[in-house]
Amino acid sequence: NAGVTQTPKFQVLKTGQSMTLQCAQDMNHEYMSWYRQDPGMGLRLIHYSVGAGITDQGEVPNGYNVSRSTTEDFPLRLLSAAPSQTSVYFCASSPGWNTGELFFGEGSRLTVL
Amino acid sequence: AQKITQTQPGMFVQEKEAVTLDCTYDTSDPSYGLFWYKQPSSGEMIFLIYQGSYDQQNATEGRYSLNFQKARKSANLVISASQLGDSAMYFCAMRGTGANSKLTFGKGITLSVRP
Repeated sequence: NAGVTQTPKFQVLKTGQSMTLQCAQDMNHEYMSWYRQDPGMGLRLIHYSVGAGITDQGEVPNGYNVSRSTTEDFPLRLLSAAPSQTSVYFCASSPGWNTGELFFGEGSRLTVL
Repeated sequence: AQKITQTQPGMFVQEKEAVTLDCTYDTSDPSYGLFWYKQPSSGEMIFLIYQGSYDQQNATEGRYSLNFQKARKSANLVISASQLGDSAMYFCAMRGTGANSKLTFGKGITLSVRP
């Protein structure tokens, strides 16, 4: 029962470095999304995808890229990390693009020095 | 655009008592869904309960119930018989249609259950 799997769980970067947060789901969900969680801000949507080959921006997309080449995978790329991107990142998926609850990964804690 | 508002400061409740966590929302969509999630200190997001805007009955899931008042645009979570394990952050969220189909979260409420 893997569900939504995020890697890595913890990462420390230096300013300007790049990295990719991986997200994979084995539930054949159409919809996948990335959120960031900051103290006092709740969860804010970064990017989302309603199906393979389709992605769109959320509320806070700047500094992040995504792609969706398969139904299962939805990686989040930081091309040039900044301290403002220090956060906890959650990947989430749901069966349909506009229905049902989101199933969340366990989160990835990223620190940018 | 849609918006979720959770304005309560940290909440405290005595073990075995009931507690209500407030949530108000704003949307122009005629059809939408309301969700509550729990985030314990371990960090994972746990789905608790769902209410559809056209559902006639208030949703219930075990000790959780959603007090849905559509005219007032409120979707309060009621936890009955609180347990120590209920201590966590609680997020209200909504999902509309079309451009509002993305799940939008409130800022959360911290609940502490006292023994």
